[in-house]
This record gives sequence, C-alpha cells and structure tokens, in this order.
Amino acid sequence: AQKITQTQPGMFVQEKEAVTLDCTYDTSDQSYGLFWYKQPSSGEMIFLIYQGSYDEQNATEGRYSLNFQKARKSANLVISASQLGDSAMYFCAMRESGRGSGYSTLTFGKGTMLLVSP
Amino acid sequence: DVKVTQSSRYLVKRTGEKVFLECVQDMDHENMFWYRQDPGLGLRLIYFSYDVKMKEKGDIPEGYSVSREKKERFSLILESASTNQTSMYLCASRNGGGSYEQYFGPGTRLTVT
Repeated sequence: AQKITQTQPGMFVQEKEAVTLDCTYDTSDQSYGLFWYKQPSSGEMIFLIYQGSYDEQNATEGRYSLNFQKARKSANLVISASQLGDSAMYFCAMRESGRGSGYSTLTFGKGTMLLVSP
Repeated sequence: DVKVTQSSRYLVKRTGEKVFLECVQDMDHENMFWYRQDPGLGLRLIYFSYDVKMKEKGDIPEGYSVSREKKERFSLILESASTNQTSMYLCASRNGGGSYEQYFGPGTRLTVT
C-alpha cells in the first residue's frame, strides 16, 4: 500500500496566485514527520518545510506553509504568491522509524509538477 | 553549508559492467542514503548506512550493494549493470541527532546500454 499519495501529477498556477499541493499519508506510528522537497529542472533536492506529528501549529517558512490535518492524514503544501522560479517538481515525504536498525528513513510520494505562468 | 557531492553527474556504462557511484559529505553526518528516482515513481530507497561499516536494505536493494569504510563516504555498487538500472541516483546524508532533514547531492544520471 502506498504510504504517501500525491494525487496531482501536474498543477498550473498564474504568477502571484496561491497554490495548494496535496499530500495524504498512511502510518500507524504515533511519532512521525512530514517533509516537502522541491526539485527544479537542475535536479537538486531542496528542503522546504517540515512538520512533526506532535507539532500543534502548522509549519511555515516564508511563502511556504504546511496545512497539517492529522485526523485526515493530510499534509498539504501551500505556496503563497507564486513566482516563476517556483516551477519545479514537488515531493512530499514521511519520516518513519521501525526499520531493523531503528533509524528513521524517508518515504517519498511520486511528486507533483508545478508550472507557474506569467 | 552542508555539502553532499557525487562523483559524476552523467555516466554511461555497458551491460554487465561493475559500476561504482561515490558520494561524499562534509558535515560529519552519521547517516547516509542512496535513492533512485524514476519518472512517475518518485524516490525509492535502495540502501542506507547509519554508521561506518553499518548498512541496511531499503525498499529496492536487489542488484545493488553498498560500502561505507569512512564516515564521509558512501558508495553504491552495481555488481553487474543491467539496462533496468538506468536511472537517476541521489545520495543524501543526515545528522543522526534530532534533525530529520536529509541533505541531497546533485544526482548521477546513469545510463546502461
């Protein structure tokens, strides 16, 4: 079963508008975390924002905010005032522990391609 | 700034060759990871290492092995490359302490012909 689901393969938004990228997750852990990474066409993975399962307030980093709804198991990324440079692939990822060594790893979704038009 | 470097951005190898992908980090991180990225599949974990000489299989370890002899270096080995291993390979590292963020290298695009 897929642990991280990103249902939007592609999204289009006009410059200066806000956009929401969807992410739902599945875990039975009590302690977990959700990440969003950005991957521009150059290929590097850029960390955007992190939300821990026990964090009571939604995480924010500049124009990025994470709309965390624990009961619905969703962790949507909201980008306010989109810019042309926001055009990229966006990945949602979940931190989970429980591998044999006990160390945490990340499970990634399949990604959403965001295109920002002038 | 954390820096994760990978030995090549682009690599072309023939079927059956032994291939080494090298990753080096300069932040004294305990944990290191190898992923492969394929269109429509996202990133999938191949192997990770939580300490020198320690390793653990990820979700898709078949056809790969790894080596971590020094803390800063984590190598991915394709013992006998096959065409279905053509992919983008991404290395990452993280501090074994409280921060869960992984820092990624620029990636190696491997083509096996």
